[in-house]
Amino acid sequence: DGGITQSPKYLFRKEGQNVTLSCEQNLNHDAMYWYRQDPGQGLRLIYYSQIVNDFQKGDIAEGYSVSREKKESFPLTVTSAQKNPTAFYLCASSRPGTDNYGYTFGSGTRLTVV
Amino acid sequence: AQRVTQPEKLLSVFKGAPVELKCNYSYSGSPELFWYVQYSRQRLQLLLRHISRESIKGFTADLNKGETSFHLKKPFAQEEDSAMYYCALKASGSRLTFGEGTQLTVNP
Repeated sequence: DGGITQSPKYLFRKEGQNVTLSCEQNLNHDAMYWYRQDPGQGLRLIYYSQIVNDFQKGDIAEGYSVSREKKESFPLTVTSAQKNPTAFYLCASSRPGTDNYGYTFGSGTRLTVV
Repeated sequence: AQRVTQPEKLLSVFKGAPVELKCNYSYSGSPELFWYVQYSRQRLQLLLRHISRESIKGFTADLNKGETSFHLKKPFAQEEDSAMYYCALKASGSRLTFGEGTQLTVNP
């Protein structure tokens, strides 16, 4: 069953800690994305990667880091430098340039700072 | 820079009434526009794309370049249409820029 999997579903972080959110896809998609979803602000792009070993900053990259060592995986690290990390994080993937272009989204990770 | 605006955060209609969710964009080039939908406890999913000119679940959307709008319409709303709707713009590359979202509630 092809799809995109995010884990964990819920994550709690103490102040000053780094945490890593997992995103894995078996759709053979080249591009992967991380968005942050906040009420009233829609989805804001954190980082994206169009190919393995390459990624670009999105609109709100400060306090976040990513890696893309494998096509299937695009983990997001929320560092202690992120001032307001409590949010819902969505990972997505796509196959740019195809006729059925569109994003496939994961089910999300809700991060709470305690 | 590209921008997508959905002026209504909340929209409430009665079952059987027409519904229109507004979306305006700003982009100097030739955009591709999308509508995504998130039903309760489900993943965000693609509803329709302007280049397909299709009707999905009774919804249609026409790209109006003169007014830079891509409003989503349905002539007769159903209760199962209640969801969060996002308008999105693809400018260059593969990244999408999303609007703030509109929460649609269809009352019985």
